[in-house]
Parts: sequence; C-alpha cells; structure tokens
Amino acid sequence: GNSVTQMEGPVTLSEEAFLTINCTYTATGYPSLFWYVQYPGEGLQLLLKATKADDKGSNKGFEATYRKETTSFHLEKGSVQVSDSAVYFCALRGNTNAGKSTFGDGTTLTVKP
Amino acid sequence: SQTIHQWPATLVQPVGSPLSLECTVEGTSNPNLYWYRQAAGRGLQLLFYSVGIGQISSEVPQNLSASRPQDRQFILSSKKLLLSDSGFYLCAWSVAQANTGELFFGEGSRLTVL
Repeated sequence: GNSVTQMEGPVTLSEEAFLTINCTYTATGYPSLFWYVQYPGEGLQLLLKATKADDKGSNKGFEATYRKETTSFHLEKGSVQVSDSAVYFCALRGNTNAGKSTFGDGTTLTVKP
Repeated sequence: SQTIHQWPATLVQPVGSPLSLECTVEGTSNPNLYWYRQAAGRGLQLLFYSVGIGQISSEVPQNLSASRPQDRQFILSSKKLLLSDSGFYLCAWSVAQANTGELFFGEGSRLTVL
C-alpha cells in the first residue's frame, strides 16, 4: 500500500534560518503530493502541492519539488519566521480508491525570535 | 466559495456515553467526504469516507460509525464511547472527480473521554 515517511521532529530553528523537512513516499502509479500545515488548535490547510514528476509547488516562501527518481517531496524555506511555527504534514493521494490520502506523522516546527 | 464546518469544537464525554459529531459542506455538490482522527503527536488516521449519500466505507474496525444522510452532511457517531476514542477528529472534503486534488479540512473537534 501507499505510505509516507517524513522527518521526525520536533524541529527548532531561529528566525531567518533555512528550513528543510524531508519527506519520502511509497506508492503505486502516479500520486499527487501535498504539504499541509496545522496551526495550534486548528484543522489542516493546504500549503502546496505537485501533481506530476518534476513539478515544484510553492506558497508563502515554501517550496517542494516532486522527485520521482528519489520518491521524495522535501519541504524547504529559505528564511523562516516565528509565524511559521506549526505542524507540517506530507501527504500523497493516489488516483484510485476514491482518492484517499495517506499522511506522514507530521513534523512540529518551532521558530524562536 | 466552498466552506466546511464541523461541530462541536470541544466535547468532554464520560465512558459509555453516545457521540455525534456533525460536518457540513457548502458551495459544492457531491463531494467526497472523510472523517480522520488525529491522536496526540501523531499523524492522521482515515476512519471513514463517502462518495455519495448513504455510501460509507470504513477503513478500520472500531467503536465508531458514520452516516451521510444528505449530500453535504457527514456524521460521526458512537453508541458507547471508550477511553481510546479520545482525540482530535477532522472532517474533510474533496472534489469527487478530481482524485488528485487536495483535501479541505474543517476546524476539528476535540473529544475527551473520561
């Protein structure tokens, strides 16, 4: 079956530091890949996505590139802010089974001023 | 624009009591609907999904059930709660014909069973 493995946390960074959260996946076919963000006490919201190999998703300074050869979708940001503190989930969605999504366990990011 | 709401936001229930969490979607038709549970410090576990009225698929055997009485309404229920049912429950929807599209989540319902 499908699976997503993401870097364990928690991750603590100083403001303006570079962020990388690793994500690798196992899936059949050609899934779409996503990063979701969850702020404290809230539901998840889409941060960015990529639907085919070599696509780059980007939003709010975050980027991730769909690498089929390494089955990876690492999240990066060049300069984090305190407001980026949240839990980040990598996910994939296949094109079968009612499009069910598979999520990683989440990585908690804390950015200190 | 589309919106999704779930309620109640917070619930504290005794063991053995019933449960009903409701979720409604506005601004779209025939969405796929999902119930996820998020245990503390863990990822999301898919509990149920539905592709249409009255059509429910269960992902894991458990003490919970789901129903979809209307196109844009999804209900999570239990007749007798267990301690292990505590968690953060998330309702989500997606466009039915776009299997590679994203999920849109509600605000979540935090259930504590005592």
